[in-house]
Amino acid sequence: GAGVSQTPSNKVTEKGKYVELRCDPISGHTALYWYRQSLGQGPEFLIYFQGTGAADDSGLPNDRFFAVRPEGSVSTLKIQRTERGDSAVYLCASSLTGTIDTQYFGPGTRLTVL
Amino acid sequence: AQRVTQPEKLLSVFKGAPVELKCNYSYSGSPELFWYVQYSRQRLQLLLRHISRESIKGFTADLNKGETSFHLKKPFAQEEDSAMYYCALSEANFNKFYFGSGTKLNVKP
Repeated sequence: GAGVSQTPSNKVTEKGKYVELRCDPISGHTALYWYRQSLGQGPEFLIYFQGTGAADDSGLPNDRFFAVRPEGSVSTLKIQRTERGDSAVYLCASSLTGTIDTQYFGPGTRLTVL
Repeated sequence: AQRVTQPEKLLSVFKGAPVELKCNYSYSGSPELFWYVQYSRQRLQLLLRHISRESIKGFTADLNKGETSFHLKKPFAQEEDSAMYYCALSEANFNKFYFGSGTKLNVKP
């Protein structure tokens, strides 16, 4: 079956602009995670959804970052007033129930803020 | 606070040699530990997890609570093992995961 997909694969924007990054999890997976990976670093946790609700958003760096999952499937990560420091690869992962189940990662969206 | 530390950015070994990728963690409570791997131009994927006590592709990892370590080992490295390896820790409820900065394993022919 289809794995986790993310769009766009690359996004170049200017400082101060608004961006949306999309994640399509594996069908039937209730758990969805967003991570940010900067160059030379491992993935950094941002937010975890269980169904439609954000069960843990403690990793969001500030109030410019927001994520939604209105129907418990597709999720959108939204970044307002982008800054150059937001440049990174944004990864999405889903798992069946969010417990010990395996997380399946998407290919990531590379965000570049000029 | 740094939860997961991988002290080696790069590890080079010859084919057939033993390999050990180090991982130390800092966490109060009972974390779950994982190893993830990312092969060239592929997605990040789970290699193994402590709770399953499994061996995947010849790799094993033992949780040492006294030393707070979860080192990844393989007795005989293969060229196809060349990849980035990330150690990860999750809180008991699996809501949140912490990843190390990764170790690039290069297995030379």
